[in-house]
Amino acid sequence: EAQVTQNPRYLITVTGKKLTVTCSQNMNHEYMSWYRQDPGLGLRQIYYSMNVEVTDKGDVPEGYKVSRKEKRNFPLILESPSPNQTSLYFCASSPHERNYGYTFGSGTRLTVV
Amino acid sequence: QKEVEQNSGPLSVPEGAIASLNCTYSDRVSQSFFWYRQYSGKSPELIMSIYSNGDKEDGRFTAQLNKASQYVSLLIRDSQPSDSATYLCAVKGTTDSWGKFQFGAGTQVVVTP
Repeated sequence: EAQVTQNPRYLITVTGKKLTVTCSQNMNHEYMSWYRQDPGLGLRQIYYSMNVEVTDKGDVPEGYKVSRKEKRNFPLILESPSPNQTSLYFCASSPHERNYGYTFGSGTRLTVV
Repeated sequence: QKEVEQNSGPLSVPEGAIASLNCTYSDRVSQSFFWYRQYSGKSPELIMSIYSNGDKEDGRFTAQLNKASQYVSLLIRDSQPSDSATYLCAVKGTTDSWGKFQFGAGTQVVVTP
């Protein structure tokens, strides 16, 4: 089944403790991206990647890191999480085609206390 | 000013009626536009894409695009209770930034029996 898989689904952590949210896609898509979703603010793009080793900032990159060492994987790293990073996070992927949208993973609900 | 704007709703629609959702965008060179549906607690699901001026129909859904007015809309005909969800408008970046994909805050639709 074609899908974007992110783990974990739920995560509670403490301020300052480094964490990684994994994301993998099996559709051979060139583009991958991370979004956060907050009530009233909608989906905001954190980072996106056009291909292996090629990444660019979205609208809210502060406090996040990403890497794209393999085409199928695009982990999101929070090196020193803070409570304002408590949010619902989505990973997504898309082919390199103008008229294709992103396909989303199931989401990771992160709580930083 | 947000780059992609939608009325937040809720938009209350009687069962069987037409739901009309609107979206405006600020970047005049945008080329590709998308509508996603998101049920509460779930990930966004792509339902329509459009890139040419005019109407595009898919089942009960019709997307309309007017690039001169920087306006995209979605019509849902014969609305069903299962259409109750939040509908997200998304705008894709231009050719050199297809990975950049911005969403509006979403319009909540409630279909009443």
